[in-house]
Amino acid sequence: AQTVTQSQPEMSVQEAETVTLSCTYDTSESNYYLFWYKQPPSRQMILVIRQEAYKQQNATENRFSVNFQKAAKSFSLKISDSQLGDTAMYFCAFMKHVRTGANSKLTFGKGITLSVRP
Amino acid sequence: KAGVTQTPRYLIKTRGQQVTLSCSPISGHRSVSWYQQTPGQGLQFLFEYFSETQRNKGNFPGRFSGRQFSNSRSEMNVSTLELGDSALYLCASSTGDGTGELFFGEGSRLTVL
Repeated sequence: AQTVTQSQPEMSVQEAETVTLSCTYDTSESNYYLFWYKQPPSRQMILVIRQEAYKQQNATENRFSVNFQKAAKSFSLKISDSQLGDTAMYFCAFMKHVRTGANSKLTFGKGITLSVRP
Repeated sequence: KAGVTQTPRYLIKTRGQQVTLSCSPISGHRSVSWYQQTPGQGLQFLFEYFSETQRNKGNFPGRFSGRQFSNSRSEMNVSTLELGDSALYLCASSTGDGTGELFFGEGSRLTVL
């Protein structure tokens, strides 16, 4: 079974600054996906960024980037130039890759509440 | 393109009753999965349906069940409600092609009194 750990329950950052959210995971799988999802106060979960385990290059999406350390089983999210709209709960999640058929089973961490201060 | 639609958005039930929640996925998506979100347990996977077949099931009692119709719409049912079933129930849809990206609905907030 997989586990995802987010040890920081809350973080706060000044607008325009950079913040890093931590995540570690445990799995015996060799091929999988890692995700960061954002859940704003309106509740709809939105995908922020996705990393495929077999890719060594760290994923980036505009102001969001990850530091994926496969050997250490670490997957942190860096948010640059933080904006007020980044205020949300952020979840790290793991999904096993399957070659055929569908797999939509995400294992989530407990989440971290990020507040961006004006 | 319309997003994932969940109904009802809010509902209140009493212990012992049953409830049915509905989810309409994004057009063209064949996979629908359900998650329960509570402050104590966080987000937990309930089950996944793909082309009307249950593909995966989480560790929930048999009171939790679901189904998927030929148009990919899905329903989940909880029978004999308990206080601990109070939660936000999230539905997510995906193409089911194994690339992993899920699109979530806004959820159905269930309160059991």
